Amino acid sequence: DTAVSQTPKYLVTQMGNDKSIKCEQNLGHDTMYWYKQDSKKFLKIMFSYNNKELIINETVPNRFSPKSPDKAHLNLHINSLELGDSAVYFCASSHRGGSNEQFFGPGTRLTVL
Amino acid sequence: GNSVTQMEGPVTLSEEAFLTINCTYTATGYPSLFWYVQYPGEGLQLLLKATKADDKGSNKGFEATYRKETTSFHLEKGSVQVSDSAVYFCALSSQGGSEKLVFGKGTKLTVNP
Repeated sequence: DTAVSQTPKYLVTQMGNDKSIKCEQNLGHDTMYWYKQDSKKFLKIMFSYNNKELIINETVPNRFSPKSPDKAHLNLHINSLELGDSAVYFCASSHRGGSNEQFFGPGTRLTVL
Repeated sequence: GNSVTQMEGPVTLSEEAFLTINCTYTATGYPSLFWYVQYPGEGLQLLLKATKADDKGSNKGFEATYRKETTSFHLEKGSVQVSDSAVYFCALSSQGGSEKLVFGKGTKLTVNP
């Protein structure tokens, strides 16, 4: 009964490939997020969706395309992978509202060779 | 824009020592403030939060007080345990509109027996 789940946990791929990371939450939240954590552990927001609608896009290259088929899912598709995309990607969810706790998934470690 | 400055680590303490991790922020309006913890190989978990000035968040022996006059939210624990070894992130979230979390750079804490 994992609250926020991500697949896969590890992803190793070659430069130039296209890959997807899936995220699902069973908490009944209406807002979902993608964060990127770099090798120095720095965390930064990439995208946020509320009720399947994009509300935050933090100047992420358009090789990254989030897709939200429903409120419980927010997938991240990445085209033409580059070395600099190597990072840990975290999905999170919350009820809408800045004071609300965000619940994080376990992360997907992406390595681009 | 909003930002969080957190004391650089790593921090190494002996069991039962007193812990302080400093955190200051820059934000417009009245943000909510959070401490998240990341145990090795895991996603982030909320440790505590405060949503208005002078609020004190507390959990598992950790405390932090929202100080608007000094724009600070320092994390403290009176007696750390080996199991507290983790990376600690201070974060803020603005009210209304964008509810993204803005994180500090994280502080790695190691507690030795």
